[in-house]
Amino acid sequence: DAMVIQNPRYQVTQFGKPVTLSCSQTLNHNVMYWYQQKSSQAPKLLFHYYDKDFNNEADTPDNFQSRRPNTSFCFLDIRSPGLGDAAMYLCATSRAGGYTFGSGTRLTVV
Amino acid sequence: AQKVTQAQTEISVVEKEDVTLDCVYETRDTTYYLFWYKQPPSGELVFLIRRNSFDEQNEISGRYSWNFQKSTSSFNFTITASQVVDSAVYFCALSEAEAGGYNKLIFGAGTRLAVHP
Repeated sequence: DAMVIQNPRYQVTQFGKPVTLSCSQTLNHNVMYWYQQKSSQAPKLLFHYYDKDFNNEADTPDNFQSRRPNTSFCFLDIRSPGLGDAAMYLCATSRAGGYTFGSGTRLTVV
Repeated sequence: AQKVTQAQTEISVVEKEDVTLDCVYETRDTTYYLFWYKQPPSGELVFLIRRNSFDEQNEISGRYSWNFQKSTSSFNFTITASQVVDSAVYFCALSEAEAGGYNKLIFGAGTRLAVHP
C-alpha cells in the first residue's frame, strides 16, 4: 500500500547532540511537510518542500533544518536539541485532493 | 488570518451516549477545506473527513456524522452510540485553497474524548 513511513518510531537523543529523523513516501506526492506536536498541543507546521523548493515557517527556529534529496525522502535535522524540542514529529505529504500523515517519531531529549 | 477553535478541551461520556465535538473556524478565503483527525494514544493522526467550502451537505459514515454550516462557520462532529475505542484526541483543521497541492493545515487545540464502559 502506498504510504508515508517515518523512522524511527521512537528516538532518544542527548541534549545538544545532533539528531536526524527520516520520512519516506511511496505516494509520489510533490509536497512534503514536517509538523511538530508538543505534549497536549496541536501539530504546528515547521516547514515544507514543494518539489525541491524549501519553505520555512517564519517562527521555525534555526535549530531545525530539512533535506529532501529526492521525491521519496525527506529528513528533519535538529542541530542542537534542547529539552524544549521533545515532541512528536509528524511527516506528511500532499498532492491535489490528498493529504497523508506518517505515524510520527516521538523524540525524547535527555 | 485563519483560526480554528475547539472550545471543548475534554469530554467524558459513558459508552453508548451520543457526543458532539464542536469546531468553529475563521478564514477570509472563499475556498477552503475543513478536516477532522483522530489521534489515539499511539500518536498517529487518523484522517476522518475532508470537506471543501462549497459542499455544505452533511455527511454520515457509520456512527460518525458531520454538520457543516457556513452561516455559523462551524463544522461539528457527532459520534453516535460512542464506544471505548472512540477514546482519543480529535482535531479539527482548516486549510486554504490548494496551490498545486500545497495545503498548510491550521489545527484547533483538540478535544480529548474519554468514553467510559
